[in-house]
Amino acid sequence: DTGVSQNPRHKITKRGQNVTFRCDPISEHNRLYWYRQTLGQGPEFLTYFQNEAQLEKSRLLSDRFSAERPKGSFSTLEIQRTEQGDSAMYLCASSLGGLSYEQYFGPGTRLTVT
Amino acid sequence: DQQVKQNSPSLSVQEGRISILNCDYTNSMFDYFLWYKKYPAEGPTFLISISSIKDKNEDGRFTVFLNKSAKHLSLHIVPSQPGDSAVYFCAASQSPNSGGSNYKLTFGKGTLLTVNP
Repeated sequence: DTGVSQNPRHKITKRGQNVTFRCDPISEHNRLYWYRQTLGQGPEFLTYFQNEAQLEKSRLLSDRFSAERPKGSFSTLEIQRTEQGDSAMYLCASSLGGLSYEQYFGPGTRLTVT
Repeated sequence: DQQVKQNSPSLSVQEGRISILNCDYTNSMFDYFLWYKKYPAEGPTFLISISSIKDKNEDGRFTVFLNKSAKHLSLHIVPSQPGDSAVYFCAASQSPNSGGSNYKLTFGKGTLLTVNP
């Protein structure tokens, strides 16, 4: 049983560049979530997928952010024209679905924008 | 506005004693609560949860208590072990049946627990 995996684990980029992160959820989980965590804060919800459908986006997700989950398996989160304020830990979580509340998190991708 | 609050940024206890981590919430529509543990450079790990229809849930050394009238929950760890040293996050969710969306989690800011040998 492999858990949620995320790649890359660390990303350093210059302001204005585009970055893309990947999340591979637990295989039988049909719900997938992205969260962002900054220093001293808890994770904050960004977006949610039920299978391949993106059903909710937080107001935190500006139009520079886009997420996909083709075929309902892995997901990608892209940030265009990165800003220093985008520096954070980006966490992916998956959940079984149905009445299940428990979400299982990956190790996160640490983004640093210089 | 912070809907889930963990007012103690840190807690230090001796090995073998009880650790009590507290969490308050403001949204009375939350109907499920979870605790996660996080080590540095890792993602949060699910620890224990409780539905709003219960007031206690126990799993080994971990017990979560829920007081709905006070909008307060606590996590008890007995006995505490040095390996329990981590940041603990309280999270809450609202089911679609009670007006929520998609079982997303709302987190507190976390409490750093240090268990001293």
